[in-house]
Parts: sequence; structure tokens; C-alpha cells
Amino acid sequence: ILNVEQSPQSLHVQEGDSTNFTCSFPSSNFYALHWYRWETAKSPEALFVMTLNGDEKKKGRISATLNTKEGYSYLYIKGSQPEDSATYLCASPSGTYKYIFGTGTRLKVLA
Amino acid sequence: EAQVTQNPRYLITVTGKKLTVTCSQNMNHEYMSWYRQDPGLGLRQIYYSMNVEVTDKGDVPEGYKVSRKEKRNFPLILESPSPNQTSLYFCASSQRTTYEQYFGPGTRLTVT
Repeated sequence: ILNVEQSPQSLHVQEGDSTNFTCSFPSSNFYALHWYRWETAKSPEALFVMTLNGDEKKKGRISATLNTKEGYSYLYIKGSQPEDSATYLCASPSGTYKYIFGTGTRLKVLA
Repeated sequence: EAQVTQNPRYLITVTGKKLTVTCSQNMNHEYMSWYRQDPGLGLRQIYYSMNVEVTDKGDVPEGYKVSRKEKRNFPLILESPSPNQTSLYFCASSQRTTYEQYFGPGTRLTVT
């Protein structure tokens, strides 16, 4: 994998459903993996920065895992709420300073 | 309040008229970056700066210039804007790349 790729591109879930999406990134020269939440008409806001293989991070109903050997990270949302509707971005610094962002997963939670 | 500010927030200009978008952060961050966001393409990095007087190209630097004379400021300069630079621009800062980035509110630029 040469780029950061996210799947699916978009997702509609019912309120209360749990969901997850994937970020794939180059596993060679791994430095860090970032997750951001981006609401419409706002700026991206950081959710997690992960650096170690096997890392798991949690913030409320949202959690993320990291596998640096195979080059993927999962973001999980438990019990989705309408306010979780947003685009979720992942990014991996290429080397130490240059960021590559995925195109995002657009989540819509239906009430 | 810790924040990244950008000005202007909205700008409509004509081809060839030089413009500058300012970016300022009050968190004493070393790392600053400019991105553009276009539909279907996600955020693409234009330029970044690791510290004062140290800048480097991102993935899409053509047609842009930057400078980092002070730690808090990182202006984006379009010497001769063209319609293909119509986009939504974000400035961001962080302590370094293993720390979260803080994004500014965005600047929507239209070049006619």
C-alpha cells in the first residue's frame, strides 16, 4: 500500500447500531496514525494519535486499534447516535513530517 | 483559549492577483501545515514547517509559497492565483507529528 486508504467511503446506520471502519496505511517506515472527526461546516478535530503496534485507544463510545505490521487501523463506534454523523479521517505521517490523509468515511446515523 | 486562526475566512479573487492567507497559532507549536480540501480528494498537504525558517513541500506545492519567520505564524502566499486553486484551505499546527493536529476554521477561496 502506497497511500492511506479508508473504507467504506460512506455508511448509513440506524441509531443504536455499532459500526466500524478501516484505515490502511503503508506499514514500512511507520511513524504514527491519526484519526480525526470532521463535521460538516467545521474543522477536523483529533480523536486519537496512535504510535505503537497493538495500541488501543478509547474516548467515550469511540475506540480505535492499530496493527502496524499489517498496516491497518480500525475505528469503532458503539451505540451510534445522530451526533456521531461526520466524516472520519485517518492520516499517517510519511516519514517524520509529511502527512498523507485518507479520503475519509462519511457516516450518517439515522434517528 | 488554544486556537489556530486563519484570515480571511472567505475570499473571491481574480486570476493573477496575488493574495496571502494568514495562519496563526497560540500554542507554541513547532509544526505547522497547510492543506487544501477538494471534493473526492480529501485533505492534501501543500507545505509544512518543522520550526522557524524550516519549511518543505507537501504533495501539492505548485503555485504556492510559504514562510515561517515567527513560530506562531505561517502564511500561505499565492503569487498568481489560477482557477484550479479554488478550494477550501486549512492551516493546522501540532507539537510534532506524534501529537494531534489542531486545525484552523478554514478559508474558502474562489479564483475566477
